[in-house]
Amino acid sequence: KQEVTQIPAALSVPEGENLVLNCSFTDSAIYNLQWFRQDPGKGLTSLLLIQSSQREQTSGRLNASLDKSSGRSTLYIAASQPGDSATYLCAAGSSGYSTLTFGKGTMLLVSP
Amino acid sequence: EAGVTQSPTHLIKTRGQQATLRCSPISGHTSVYWYQQALGLGLQFLLWYDEGEERNRGNFPPRFSGRQFPNYSSELNVNALELEDSALYLCASSLYGDETQYFGPGTRLLVL
Repeated sequence: KQEVTQIPAALSVPEGENLVLNCSFTDSAIYNLQWFRQDPGKGLTSLLLIQSSQREQTSGRLNASLDKSSGRSTLYIAASQPGDSATYLCAAGSSGYSTLTFGKGTMLLVSP
Repeated sequence: EAGVTQSPTHLIKTRGQQATLRCSPISGHTSVYWYQQALGLGLQFLLWYDEGEERNRGNFPPRFSGRQFPNYSSELNVNALELEDSALYLCASSLYGDETQYFGPGTRLLVL
């Protein structure tokens, strides 16, 4: 059974800092790894999707990496802004079943 | 293009009652997924429907059920409600075989 863990559970940084969010998964036979953003009381917004054959994906100030052998993914946020404040979730996709196993998320607060 | 919509936004029920949650996928998407986000437990996969059929089911009791209609919209039914069913229920849709799932804003269910 796939288990996904995210560290840290919460993170508070001043505006402008670069930061890294960590995600680990127990079963390396994943189909893909996705990062989502969730604002309070809202649904999820997809940020980045990394296929199992890829090492990283970039979108604007966001960069996500994937190391299947070690069961880890990281989300790098450059030059953080107060608008980045949200909960960030990573999810491991299982081949053939189209299901996602989520971590519990990292709550990020970027202060002005 | 309209995103995934869910109704109602909030639902209050008492223990033992039944709850019905509704989801309309993005136009053209045939797959609908249901997730439960309970406090402290993170997002957990409930059900996956495609082309009117249940394709996969998470580790939830049979009183969690649903269906998908010919227009690809979906209902989630929760019978014999228990206090621990209180959660945010998220629906997502995708094209079949497309890994990217697009999430709706959720229905917050409170069981008293």
